[in-house]
Order: sequence, then structure tokens, then C-alpha cells
Amino acid sequence: GAGVSQSPSNKVTEKGKDVELRCDPISGHTALYWYRQSLGQGLEFLIYFQGNSAPDKSGLPSDRFSAERTGGSVSTLTIQRTQQEDSAVYLCASSLVADRNSPLHFGNGTRLTVT
Amino acid sequence: SQQGEEDPQALSIQEGENATMNCSYKTSINNLQWYRQNSGRGLVHLILIRSNEREKHSGRLRVTLDTSKKSSSLLITASRAADTASYFCATDGNDMRFGAGTRLTVKP
Repeated sequence: GAGVSQSPSNKVTEKGKDVELRCDPISGHTALYWYRQSLGQGLEFLIYFQGNSAPDKSGLPSDRFSAERTGGSVSTLTIQRTQQEDSAVYLCASSLVADRNSPLHFGNGTRLTVT
Repeated sequence: SQQGEEDPQALSIQEGENATMNCSYKTSINNLQWYRQNSGRGLVHLILIRSNEREKHSGRLRVTLDTSKKSSSLLITASRAADTASYFCATDGNDMRFGAGTRLTVKP
């Protein structure tokens, strides 16, 4: 079956504009994660969704960042008033259930460049 | 929750040699997972080791876990140029957190 799909694969935007990044998780996966990765760096946790529970937003770097997950499936990460330091690869991952032994399946990410 | 920390940050070896990467963490875990990332792509799950396991094998991969030292190691035997990638460990928890990774270069 299809893996985790992210769109767009690349996004160039001007400073101050809003952007929306989309993640389609694997069908049936109840847990969904967003991460940010700057060039040559590790993964920075942003937000986690599990089923109908309230999301864990503890990793969002500022109130310019928000995310939704509609119908327990597709998720959208929105960055308002983008800044140059927001430039990074944004990775989405999903897992079958949020038990502690489920591996994460990653998309290929969206490379965001803020000019 | 907490994240793993990998070392070394970078490792360069010749094809055919073994590569060992380490991961340390700070609190108790149920499992620890290793992932690989090829440049510009998402992470791929390699292997999961549970807290009651001490060693696990998958092909040329060998993972050990020492819960008393809160550390894990990933050994890649008979490395190949295609093993060149970044390797990350992650510990369980609702918000799976990753370390900065080890960048492995295997020279042909």
C-alpha cells in the first residue's frame, strides 16, 4: 500500500507569507507526528496526534505554528508570517497505533525555503 | 519524554569494515528504535529492541541494549557504500524524540 505522502515536496515562499504543509498518513494509522529538520541537524519534534485525543503541541516553536488533523487522517501544518529561520525540511510520520512498540513510517518531507 | 543521543556525530570507514554507533538516554524506556536517513529523504525504521531484550539481529545489523547503563549500540557489519546515511535512535513515548544522529560515510 501507499506510504506516508507529503505535499508539496518543495515550497519557496517570501518572508511574511503563510504556508500550509500537508501530510497523508498511511491508512489506518492512528498516530501522526510532525518534525522539523534543519540542514545537517537532527529531528525537532513539533506536534503529535493520537486518535481523537487532544494533540501534544509541546514542540511547536511559536504561536505562528499550528496543525490540524481532520477526521483522524490528513494533517495540515500551518506556519503563519514565515520567517527565514523557518526554512527547514518538515517531516511527517505515522504509526499504526500509539502503542510503544509501533515503528514510525516517514514521508519524504517538505523542503521549505523562506526568502 | 526524552530523546536518545547518538555518538559519534560522524564516522568514516572503508567498505568492508564494521561500523558501531552508540545511543544514550536518560530515563526508563519500553523500547528503543534505530532509524536510517538517506540524504534528503525521510527516515526508515531499521530495528526495535525492547527493554527486556539485550541483543537483536537483523541481517548485517546488530543492536544491543544495556538498560543499566541506559545505552544502546548499533553495529553494521561488512559495511557497504550504500550504508552511507545518517542513523538515529529514538526512545518510546507519545512524542517519539530523536537525537542528532550519527552521519556514517562508507568509502568504496
